[in-house]
Amino acid sequence: QSVLPQPPSVSGAPGQRVTISCTGTTSNIGAGYDVHWYQQLPGTAPKLLMYGNTNRPSGVPDRFSGSKSATSASLAITGLQAEDEADYYCQSYDISLSGSRVFGGGTKLTVL
Amino acid sequence: QRQLVQSGAEVKKPGASLKVSCKASGYTFTDYYLHWVRQAPGQGLEWMGWINPKSGATNYAQKFQGRVTMTRDSSISTAYMELSGLTSHDTAVYLCARDMGSERVDDAFDVWGQGTMVTVSP
Repeated sequence: QSVLPQPPSVSGAPGQRVTISCTGTTSNIGAGYDVHWYQQLPGTAPKLLMYGNTNRPSGVPDRFSGSKSATSASLAITGLQAEDEADYYCQSYDISLSGSRVFGGGTKLTVL
Repeated sequence: QRQLVQSGAEVKKPGASLKVSCKASGYTFTDYYLHWVRQAPGQGLEWMGWINPKSGATNYAQKFQGRVTMTRDSSISTAYMELSGLTSHDTAVYLCARDMGSERVDDAFDVWGQGTMVTVSP
């Protein structure tokens, strides 16, 4: 069981909107630590998609957006495209684990 | 451009040790913490620890303490991750990643190596 549970899979048709949740606790997200999101295409290294909860690195389309609430975070993708099919991971910091960075379990996005 | 290039794939016997390198280019090596992350086949990402390339200070995930050693050679902008006592459960892709340099403990990883596949097999 991951420290930051995510749904194992989500799917949507091209053009639709999907969201991926990342559930934390008072030791990580709920303690005020930032959440970041990574996209991993098959056979490649992860790529930073969203940092500091809501910030997109240069080159990431504005179809991707992030949000954070008390103890959870979400990644939203609008106008789904076939190229968005990938694994998505959230990541944060957990104060109870000796200064550990922690990842979500990952969510496989399928574009139908 | 900023880049991390890792050493090539390895096959190891159970009980052996592994040493993976990660060479940085395109930025000042000592200005950004370097992290190691691994991904077992078909599984998610697992953080292993970090090294401060400037001071050599390290912080390891509890799971790997006593078995992992992270070092660096700043003269050639290269970080190393050594893992001992290998078992089949250590079969994974090992990745290095740079944090963004904000000096926050919850910083993101903005540059990743290509990964090094390590197979542990008798």
